[in-house]
Amino acid sequence: GAVVSQHPSWVICKSGTSVKIECRSLDFQATTMFWYRQFPKQSLMLMATSNEGSKATYEQGVEKDKFLINHASLTLSTLTVTSAHPEDSSFYICSAIKASGGALTGELFFGEGSRLTVL
Amino acid sequence: LAKTTQPISMDSYEGQEVNITCSHNNIATNDYITWYQQFPSQGPRFIIQGYKTKVTNEVASLFIPADRKSSTLSLPRVSLSDTAVYYCLVGDIWTPLVFGKGTRLSVIA
Repeated sequence: GAVVSQHPSWVICKSGTSVKIECRSLDFQATTMFWYRQFPKQSLMLMATSNEGSKATYEQGVEKDKFLINHASLTLSTLTVTSAHPEDSSFYICSAIKASGGALTGELFFGEGSRLTVL
Repeated sequence: LAKTTQPISMDSYEGQEVNITCSHNNIATNDYITWYQQFPSQGPRFIIQGYKTKVTNEVASLFIPADRKSSTLSLPRVSLSDTAVYYCLVGDIWTPLVFGKGTRLSVIA
């Protein structure tokens, strides 16, 4: 089956530094990827929609200058948490659409998640 | 985006069948119903998807009534490893899925 891979799986950084998380679709091309954030014991919260070759669409309340999303190729989207602070510590999950049926339908695959801890 | 409502938690003994019902009263014509399973510190894993009537795969069945305003995920003979959070999501493939609170299933030996 299709696989979506995230890297790194976990990262610890100092407050004020920037962290980049990669999301790759390993065996299919994904024009659209989604980024979610999940705090402990809570559900996934959609952060943004990443479209290949264009600017990401951010959900209300998500700072686009803090969470930089780049979708430069059909198999890679990156999320950069800039000037990270302890409150940004969370589990970040991406997902990618594998289209079929002439893009009329498809399936959504999720990555394994990346746990960010900001000290 | 269609909003979903599920029970917050459920308990079951090993070997029993578990049915988790999800309400989605404002489901749109183009929307599919998809269920995901999530273990701690892992991304959600696809379980099953349907549009109407009944869908069955190797791990679960999905029952959808004619009005599509609800759906029921059926897990046959659960085991301890089925302890997880189960999410019901409604939408078309190109619309970002909005996760509800999910149902935390605890399987007891």
